[in-house]
Amino acid sequence: AQSVTQLGSHVSVSEGALVLLRCNYSSSVPPYLFWYVQYPNQGLQLLLKYTTGATLVKGINGFEAEFKKSETSFHLTKPSAHMSDAAEYFCAVSGTSGNTGKLIFGQGTTLQVKP
Amino acid sequence: GAVVSQHPSWVICKSGTSVKIECRSLDFQATTMFWYRQFPKQSLMLMATSNEGSKATYEQGVEKDKFLINHASLTLSTLTVTSAHPEDSSFYICSAREWGFYNEQFFGPGTRLTVL
Repeated sequence: AQSVTQLGSHVSVSEGALVLLRCNYSSSVPPYLFWYVQYPNQGLQLLLKYTTGATLVKGINGFEAEFKKSETSFHLTKPSAHMSDAAEYFCAVSGTSGNTGKLIFGQGTTLQVKP
Repeated sequence: GAVVSQHPSWVICKSGTSVKIECRSLDFQATTMFWYRQFPKQSLMLMATSNEGSKATYEQGVEKDKFLINHASLTLSTLTVTSAHPEDSSFYICSAREWGFYNEQFFGPGTRLTVL
């Protein structure tokens, strides 16, 4: 079975400050890991994903995440927050084999960016 | 990039009526489509997985007779909410996956359903 836990349902940072959104996963098989962003009343947009290879993954809009197997974590970071980063962020996991590629989502983290 | 559309983007209906939501992959062939439901301020809940030409696989607790899913072509899946009631009001999101691209889903913009 797979699961995702996002620590902190709400994160508030000042514009220009570091963004850190935490995600821990549980998986009995090597995971594929994803971060998505959702703006109000919209669908999900993929920020980045980890499948295999390099554990530090760079995504769009200056975001990056590092897969740490020993810590079962995939935290999302951005060096300098922008007002436009305010949104809902979802971490998700899927298995690498044996299923249909279903995504299991975390509870989501609302990022607030203060001027 | 791969684009998925949904229609309508919002719909208001009376209790007891049925509503159909379309999900289309615009520039790729989607062998698998997923339907999610999202309540306000909550995460996405997978309702069902549909593969083109076969019956949908529903998640536990999702009424298959209530939420009819059809995936008749490689670019179109539909979700019909039958005999809708106010508790069915929600944000419905579809996603699509292209054959061979096992590890990525492309999401539609969502459909806001309000049942009066």
